[in-house]
Amino acid sequence: EIQLQESGPGLVKPSQSLSLTCSVTGYTITSGYDWSWIRKFPGNKMEWMGYISNSGSTNYNPSLKIRISITRDTSKNQFFLQLNSVTTEDTATYYCVRGIPFAYWGQGTLVTVSS
Amino acid sequence: DVVLTQTPVAQPVTLGDQASISCRSSQSLVHSNGNTYLEWYLQKPGQSPQLLIYKVSNRFSGVPDRFIGSGSGSDFTLKISRVEPEDLGVYYCFQATHDPNTFGAGTKLELK
Repeated sequence: EIQLQESGPGLVKPSQSLSLTCSVTGYTITSGYDWSWIRKFPGNKMEWMGYISNSGSTNYNPSLKIRISITRDTSKNQFFLQLNSVTTEDTATYYCVRGIPFAYWGQGTLVTVSS
Repeated sequence: DVVLTQTPVAQPVTLGDQASISCRSSQSLVHSNGNTYLEWYLQKPGQSPQLLIYKVSNRFSGVPDRFIGSGSGSDFTLKISRVEPEDLGVYYCFQATHDPNTFGAGTKLELK
């Protein structure tokens, strides 16, 4: 069974960096698919942030392009999100996802940006 | 960016009724390879979103046949026949044809 699990700090101060890890079990991230980060803001708005492909290439939402980095550690079957210079508007639940289509989601982790 | 406009914002329903959600795109979602990458997701309260439909009308594994996706070009619909309690939540359409991929704003399916 494929499972994804996000981990990382739940509270980040403004202007600092947000760093999350997605640990994948049941499937090797180099075997196929893109591995994305998606966030849901308070309310209902959802945003696709970007992905790292099974080959290691990346594609980011231009709205985040200068702040975002998605990397991976294939030895640990993990991929990572770093979002720099966060503001309160980055407060959201962050999901790691396999796709497209997004058939497998992590449980999500709430990150609050606050001083 | 492609804007997906979902209507209605909220859909009050009686269990057993049919529900219909519209998703209209600001541009055609037909990819240069001929596929249309329009998907539907449901987020139930307290859960992660789950995939219902991909490429307009293909039901994901385990999705009941009361969920029917249809449409073409820039106009798409999700119909849910015989709404059951586990169908309640927020429905999103999503397009993966154009970069950046984008979500609709969501439609809340709720009891009358």
